[in-house]
Amino acid sequence: EADIYQTPRYLVIGTGKKITLECSQTMGHDKMYWYQQDPGMELHLIHYSYGVNSTEKGDLSSESTVSRIRTEHFPLTLESARPSHTSQYLCASSEDYDRGYGYTFGSGTRLTVV
Amino acid sequence: KNEVEQSPQNLTAQEGEFITINCSYSVGISALHWLQQHPGGGIVSLFMLSSGKKKHGRLIATINIQEKHSSLHITASHPRDSAVYICAALYNTDKLIFGTGTRLQVFP
Repeated sequence: EADIYQTPRYLVIGTGKKITLECSQTMGHDKMYWYQQDPGMELHLIHYSYGVNSTEKGDLSSESTVSRIRTEHFPLTLESARPSHTSQYLCASSEDYDRGYGYTFGSGTRLTVV
Repeated sequence: KNEVEQSPQNLTAQEGEFITINCSYSVGISALHWLQQHPGGGIVSLFMLSSGKKKHGRLIATINIQEKHSSLHITASHPRDSAVYICAALYNTDKLIFGTGTRLQVFP
């Protein structure tokens, strides 16, 4: 049973549209992450958050933005989608270092921009 | 250069075979994760370990901190084990560096 939920699971959208990918977790984790994964490639961190009102850019540059208004919710937004944004986006959350820093991943959103 | 290297990239096996996937990392880490990614894309965390060995069912993970090396073993492999297995090194207590994954196919 998933404790971290991503919607939509699949999305095909036209160039120039604004989209928001949703991610919610029910575990009360402070730390949340967005990863981008191109087919057959490794995951790359694009955004992370250490708690409410905390957001940071990750190792891979991304034109997306994120917000963290509530602990359980970490949406990712693309203001103007482009074909280069076609990828899989995975959301994750983790416990604190002292509690074992276990990670939980969502099922991902596969985005296609046409 | 990716600081986490996995081998092999692709692996095929017959049902029942013993499988080993290797992971080497080049930086000092806090812990190492083994993840399983199914064709649909969802990821499941299999193990997190910082020393020694962990076992869960038919899966065994080991890590040698001095050699900066970890292995994932699957005993009595089954077609449902077919997936991509990803090694990820945790550093600074909260940042993961991922390997490119090992694609495993187990045939009946």
